[in-house]
Amino acid sequence: DAGVTQSPTHLIKTRGQQVTLRCSPKSGHDTVSWYQQALGQGPQFIFQYYEEEERQRGNFPDRFSGHQFPNYSSELNVNALLLGDSALYLCASSLQGGEKLFFGSGTQLSVL
Amino acid sequence: QQQVKQSPQSLIVQKGGISIINCAYENTAFDYFPWYQQFPGKGPALLIAIRPDVSEKKEGRFTISFNKSAKQFSLHIMDSQPGDSATYFCAASPGTASKLTFGTGTRLQVTL
Repeated sequence: DAGVTQSPTHLIKTRGQQVTLRCSPKSGHDTVSWYQQALGQGPQFIFQYYEEEERQRGNFPDRFSGHQFPNYSSELNVNALLLGDSALYLCASSLQGGEKLFFGSGTQLSVL
Repeated sequence: QQQVKQSPQSLIVQKGGISIINCAYENTAFDYFPWYQQFPGKGPALLIAIRPDVSEKKEGRFTISFNKSAKQFSLHIMDSQPGDSATYFCAASPGTASKLTFGTGTRLQVTL
C-alpha cells in the first residue's frame, strides 16, 4: 500500500519564476492538504482540497494556488517566487472528516 | 489566538529515561491534539492524538496528558531509546485533522 508520494523531491528555482509541485494521496484517501515547513519550524497549513475544490485556506497569499484532480491527486502552484518561499513543502492526505493525516516526505524548494 | 507554543526547543535524555515535551494553546475551539514525529528528510508521522474529553491517553511507551482548564498538553516518552531521537511536534485543530496548527518543534536526542 503506497503512502503519500510527492514529486519532485528537490527543486531549485530563481526569484520570479513559477513552480508546480505534485502529490498522490494514500490509497483510499480523498482529501489533500498542503503545508509549508521552513527550516527549524513547524509545518504551516496552506490549503486543503476535497472534491476538486479548495475547502480551507491558511494565511498564504494568492500566489499560492492548487488543484485537485478526479483521481484525488493534487498540485501546488506558486507564482512569482520569493526568496522566502524556500522551504519544505509537505502534502498530507486523509479521509474527509477523518482524524489521521498522513504526510509525504515533501519537496525541498530552494529559491535563489 | 491560533498559536501553539511548544517547549523545550531541544532535549537530551539518557537511554531508559523519560522524555517530556509540553505544549500550550490559546484557541478554545481546538478539540483535536496530535503529536507528530519527524526524522530528517521525512515528513511528520502521527504518533498519538487526544481529544479533550479525556485527560490521558497511552499507546505503548507514549502518553499524552491533557489539562483542558490550563489549555496545556504534554507528551511523555517512557524508556526513551536512541531510535526515538527525532523532532517532535505538537499540533491542534478545530474538528478534524485537516487544518492543523503546529508547534515549533522539539529536537530530542537520546544518548546511550
